[in-house]
Amino acid sequence: ETGVTQTPRHLVMGMTNKKSLKCEQHLGHNAMYWYKQSAKKPLELMFVYNFKEQTENNSVPSRFSPECPNSSHLFLHLHTLQPEDSALYLCASSQVERGALEQYFGPGTRLTVT
Amino acid sequence: DQQVKQNSPSLSVQEGRISILNCDYTNSMFDYFLWYKKYPAEGPTFLISISSIKDKNEDGRFTVFLNKSAKHLSLHIVPSQPGDSAVYFCAASAHGSSNTGKLIFGQGTTLQVKP
Repeated sequence: ETGVTQTPRHLVMGMTNKKSLKCEQHLGHNAMYWYKQSAKKPLELMFVYNFKEQTENNSVPSRFSPECPNSSHLFLHLHTLQPEDSALYLCASSQVERGALEQYFGPGTRLTVT
Repeated sequence: DQQVKQNSPSLSVQEGRISILNCDYTNSMFDYFLWYKKYPAEGPTFLISISSIKDKNEDGRFTVFLNKSAKHLSLHIVPSQPGDSAVYFCAASAHGSSNTGKLIFGQGTTLQVKP
């Protein structure tokens, strides 16, 4: 595997379900990100992890819970979601020490909440 | 309040001609700008970037121009090819973001290049 991978690619869940999204980066980066992309809206940054420490939480509801066990893996735990949470969830990684700000994205998980 | 704006939701261009995608920003602290391309069912792919110390950066068919006084940047693609058809996102970063890598994205412009 190369780059940034995300599983599952598609997920349909009910409002009472609990599920998790997984992201893995194979680039040796030290920062990982979760974004939400809703139709016709900009990518919204949700969480940032640097060196496994959460450095940013963009006022995300507590029904979204991130976990970063190491610098290569990032999870987004979902519980009691709402239909308006249906969106494309993108994971990205970057190497922030070099000052380069290019982020490399995974293919995303298309989430539908019914 | 949207700090990075792409006011044209879509653009259609004939193959071989120039495509010009525009982006405006409001935060004068932004000092690094990036363009990403996104195909359906894929994540965004980094295309080209520019630092605020420059006003132009070129990479093959892609050139990004930065006008700091107008808080405006543009991406030029010439010649345009049908494979360039995608959604293009502009993104910006401010001083102090080098530790978090935080980027602010525009809402995207869908480019269609017609054969």
